[in-house]
Amino acid sequence: AQRVTQPEKLLSVFKGAPVELKCNYSYSGSPELFWYVQYSRQRLQLLLRHISRESIKGFTADLNKGETSFHLKKPFAQEEDSAMYYCALRGNYGQNFVFGPGTRLSVLP
Amino acid sequence: NAGVTQTPKFQVLKTGQSMTLQCAQDMNHNSMYWYRQDPGMGLRLIYYSASEGTTDKGEVPNGYNVSRLNKREFSLRLESAAPSQTSVYFCASSESSGGPETQYFGPGTRLLVL
Repeated sequence: AQRVTQPEKLLSVFKGAPVELKCNYSYSGSPELFWYVQYSRQRLQLLLRHISRESIKGFTADLNKGETSFHLKKPFAQEEDSAMYYCALRGNYGQNFVFGPGTRLSVLP
Repeated sequence: NAGVTQTPKFQVLKTGQSMTLQCAQDMNHNSMYWYRQDPGMGLRLIYYSASEGTTDKGEVPNGYNVSRLNKREFSLRLESAAPSQTSVYFCASSESSGGPETQYFGPGTRLLVL
């Protein structure tokens, strides 16, 4: 069965500090992994996906198939990064998205 | 483009009442989805529609029905609301044309069942 876990409900860091939001998944094949973000009073939106290998707003995420992880990282957190972050998985046979429980990131001044 | 729109934004119901949540997208997407968002549980899929004319159950379909009225619109109906259905409901759509998928979300409907 597909499953996504995000062990931290809340993560607080100071501005300028590195941040890592953890995501682990269980899936027997080769899934697509995504990070979605929801800023205050805004709708959920795609932040990045692993197949694009891109850096968005300074965030990167590497898919580690051995550890079945897709952690989101940023070297220097900004206050505007404060938001709810969801890791999501999509199976490689067109299955639907499965979302993790989310981590609320709070970047303190 | 408005993207994905949802109505209403907020609703209060009494137990046993019925209501329909409306969703529309103007991106010509094939697939549409209804999720509920609850604290500590993330987004859980209620129903989805892979294409016009088809609907399928997701993870938590009990107590809900859906209609894919046309390619643009996908409605969610609560026939007899229960307090356990108090949640924030999100509609989403995706192209589903065989390439990389991105889901686009609506602003959400906050539902309170008393």
